[in-house]
Amino acid sequence: QVQLVQSGAEVKKPGSSVKVSCKASGNIFNNYGLSWVRQAPGQGLEWMGGIIPMFGTTKEAQKFQGRVTITADESTNTAYLELSSLRPEDTAVYFCARDGSGNYYPEFDLWGQGTLVIVSS
Amino acid sequence: QSVLTQPPSASATPGQRVSISCSGSSSNIGTNYVYWYQQLPGTAPKLLIYRNNQRPSGVPDRFSASKSDTSASLAISGLRSEDEAEYYCATWDDSLSGVVFGGGTKLTVL
Repeated sequence: QVQLVQSGAEVKKPGSSVKVSCKASGNIFNNYGLSWVRQAPGQGLEWMGGIIPMFGTTKEAQKFQGRVTITADESTNTAYLELSSLRPEDTAVYFCARDGSGNYYPEFDLWGQGTLVIVSS
Repeated sequence: QSVLTQPPSASATPGQRVSISCSGSSSNIGTNYVYWYQQLPGTAPKLLIYRNNQRPSGVPDRFSASKSDTSASLAISGLRSEDEAEYYCATWDDSLSGVVFGGGTKLTVL
């Protein structure tokens, strides 16, 4: 059974960067996309962007363009989210999610366990 | 302010039927599939409905959904205590060129 396992919690200073990983237990990159969704404490879900490893394409939410980098390493079945110029309001749980549509649609049928990122001075 | 509008809360008693609405526009719900997620406290969201009205395997048929023009709705019949959760709608927005979520609806089973 395929699982998505994310890296552990991070505490970062404002202005720094964070890189979160999402490792698939099986090969999912051939037929699926992978998106990142975050959830601030007590708030709703927010899509940050996604990647379709098969095509090597990425798409980022307008809000995060210029601050977010999404990559994937097919050799290790691992996707990465890097967020730069961190602010306290970036404090959130960051989820990776498999996109069953393979076309950036929110058909997220498999989720990682979430990674808490705290941004504080 | 979310692009998709959901009521912040809903409630019903066990066994009843409850409906949660999701309102959007021509650039999102009007032209793209709608998806619904259930999120229990402290856990990752779970896909409940995909492509407007399809249930993934394992999701009970008590959950159903529909879409009309620029709005969608999720219905839960035979309500159970374990249905108490946050529910989110989501879709693609052509104008924003990105995925948008509703603000979420907290369902309380009285």
